[in-house]
Amino acid sequence: DAKTTQPPSMDCAEGRAANLPCNHSTISGNEYVYWYRQIHSQGPQYIIHGLKNNETNEMASLIITEDRKSSTLILPHATLRDTAVYYCIVRGETSGSRLTFGEGTQLTVNP
Amino acid sequence: NAGVTQTPKFQVLKTGQSMTLQCAQDMNHEYMSWYRQDPGMGLRLIHYSVGAGITDQGEVPNGYNVSRSTTEDFPLRLLSAAPSQTSVYFCASSSPRRRGTSYEQYFGPGTRLTVT
Repeated sequence: DAKTTQPPSMDCAEGRAANLPCNHSTISGNEYVYWYRQIHSQGPQYIIHGLKNNETNEMASLIITEDRKSSTLILPHATLRDTAVYYCIVRGETSGSRLTFGEGTQLTVNP
Repeated sequence: NAGVTQTPKFQVLKTGQSMTLQCAQDMNHEYMSWYRQDPGMGLRLIHYSVGAGITDQGEVPNGYNVSRSTTEDFPLRLLSAAPSQTSVYFCASSSPRRRGTSYEQYFGPGTRLTVT
């Protein structure tokens, strides 16, 4: 699985969009980009994933660059409950159930 | 559905003691995994299973045993606890999908283990 690079921390004002970047320059063609988050030592929670097209669900949007070497997770209207560590993970289909976590980005949403 | 459940929530062991961390899921997921998380770090994979009767080692398997006799349960055994095994342990489950798509994992609430 490709390695990912994320900033260690970010701040965001409540109600504003939070844009969390991730670099994955060694990603291969059949690897997906996944985002999980972990709120205050709870179990990680799945947010979204994508292959090459941009994706949106009820929680967030995922923007993947055309060369697939980086992506951005967007929380459109951040709330205090979105304060968490966000993990960007690249995984291929042959990885099965295995996820390789980095250190993630600590997002703090301020009132 | 209860999802993924883990017991106990907290445990304190003395060095050399053994114990089993329990994990169960009621979503009929084929895949189950155990991770550990040390303070300030991401999760690391200990062992995983792709179905009943099938297990394999992850990134940090030493000191841990697993078995998968049923689809629902995936216990993690510490045979002789060491202080280095002080950590938070998370169990996860997922289901394979048809080829060409991928699948998310569901995590339990964790077991906080301290070995003195």
